[in-house]
Amino acid sequence: AQTVTQSQPEMSVQEAETVTLSCTYDTSENNYYLFWYKQPPSRQMILVIRQEAYKQQNATENRFSVNFQKAAKSFSLKISDSQLGDTAMYFCASPNTNAGKSTFGDGTTLTVKP
Amino acid sequence: DTGVSQNPRHKITKRGQNVTFRCDPISEHNRLYWYRQTLGQGPEFLTYFQNEAQLEKSRLLSDRFSAERPKGSFSTLEIQRTEQGDSAMYLCASSPSLNTEAFFGQGTRLTVV
Repeated sequence: AQTVTQSQPEMSVQEAETVTLSCTYDTSENNYYLFWYKQPPSRQMILVIRQEAYKQQNATENRFSVNFQKAAKSFSLKISDSQLGDTAMYFCASPNTNAGKSTFGDGTTLTVKP
Repeated sequence: DTGVSQNPRHKITKRGQNVTFRCDPISEHNRLYWYRQTLGQGPEFLTYFQNEAQLEKSRLLSDRFSAERPKGSFSTLEIQRTEQGDSAMYLCASSPSLNTEAFFGQGTRLTVV
């Protein structure tokens, strides 16, 4: 069974600073995806960034980037130049070969302070 | 709005009653997923449809739960004889292919009193 572990239940960061959220996972698949989703308070979950396991290059999406360490099964999210709108719960997710069916971690609540 | 739509947004029901939730996926997304999310936890997969066929069900989906997707369009999730432990957010998501992540709706929050 796949497992996803987020070891930081809560984090905070000052506006404009950089923060890194941690995630480790376990899977028996060779080819898989990894996602970070953002869930703002009372709003729907949206995809922040995705990584294909066969790609060695770390994914980046504007202020968001990942540090993907396949051997260590680690997938951290770095948010640069944090903005107040980044305040949300962040979930790391690892699907199997069906990208829509994910195993989620328990989330990290991120608060960006002005 | 062309996103995933879920109705109702909130539902309060008495223990033992039946409830039904509806999900309208993004048009032309042939894959539809149901998840359950309890407070302070990540979503847990419940079931998955490809078009009208229900291809996978989690062990979390007890006999009291049933999901349908007639004609491969909208989907319904019914919970019979609700229990307090069913209180949760029920999320629906859709995707156009196996290689594409799920797009989530805003969820239906169920409270069983």
